[in-house]
Amino acid sequence: AQSVTQLGSHVSVSEGALVLLRCNYSSSVPPYLFWYVQYPNQGLQLLLKYTSAATLVKGINGFEAEFKKSETSFHLTKPSAHMSDAAEYFCAVSLPNTGGFKTIFGAGTRLFVKA
Amino acid sequence: DTGVSQDPRHKITKRGQNVTFRCDPISEHNRLYWYRQTLGQGPEFLTYFQNEAQLEKSRLLSDRFSAERPKGSFSTLEIQRTEQGDSAMYLCASSISSGTGSGETQYFGPGTRLLVL
Repeated sequence: AQSVTQLGSHVSVSEGALVLLRCNYSSSVPPYLFWYVQYPNQGLQLLLKYTSAATLVKGINGFEAEFKKSETSFHLTKPSAHMSDAAEYFCAVSLPNTGGFKTIFGAGTRLFVKA
Repeated sequence: DTGVSQDPRHKITKRGQNVTFRCDPISEHNRLYWYRQTLGQGPEFLTYFQNEAQLEKSRLLSDRFSAERPKGSFSTLEIQRTEQGDSAMYLCASSISSGTGSGETQYFGPGTRLLVL
């Protein structure tokens, strides 16, 4: 069965520092992987997705993530945090080529950015 | 492209009452999903439509929950005899099938926050 584990429910960084949000997945077949961001009282917005092309995926707002099959990881990074990055981030996994498919989300990591 | 919209944005109801939520997907999207999100958790899949056909339902969707997408456009999610445990954010998402299964992007609405007193 597929699953997603996000390490750390809360991460705090200083403005300008590196952002690293960790995601490990479990899937019996090569997955599609996603990172979404959620601001308070809003829906989820796609940051980036991995669909078996390049293992380093670049997304919006300067975020990127690297798919590492050997580590079953898809960690999200941003070189320099901005105050506006403070939000909840969700990693998600979805199986390819299933008929009635569904996407499994991690529990989320709340990012705090200190001035 | 006006995005996915949901109505209402907030709903407060008393235990035992019925509630109905509406989702309007992006117009050309043929797939529509409902999720439930509780505090501190990621969205949990509830159900999924392709056009008007409801193709999958989670075991989380008890018999008090029903969803419809009558003309393959907007969808409604009804909860009958609400319980306090139903308090959550209900998210709708839509996508257009890419032909390869699960790789397409889901676009989320702002959600409906339900509070059952």
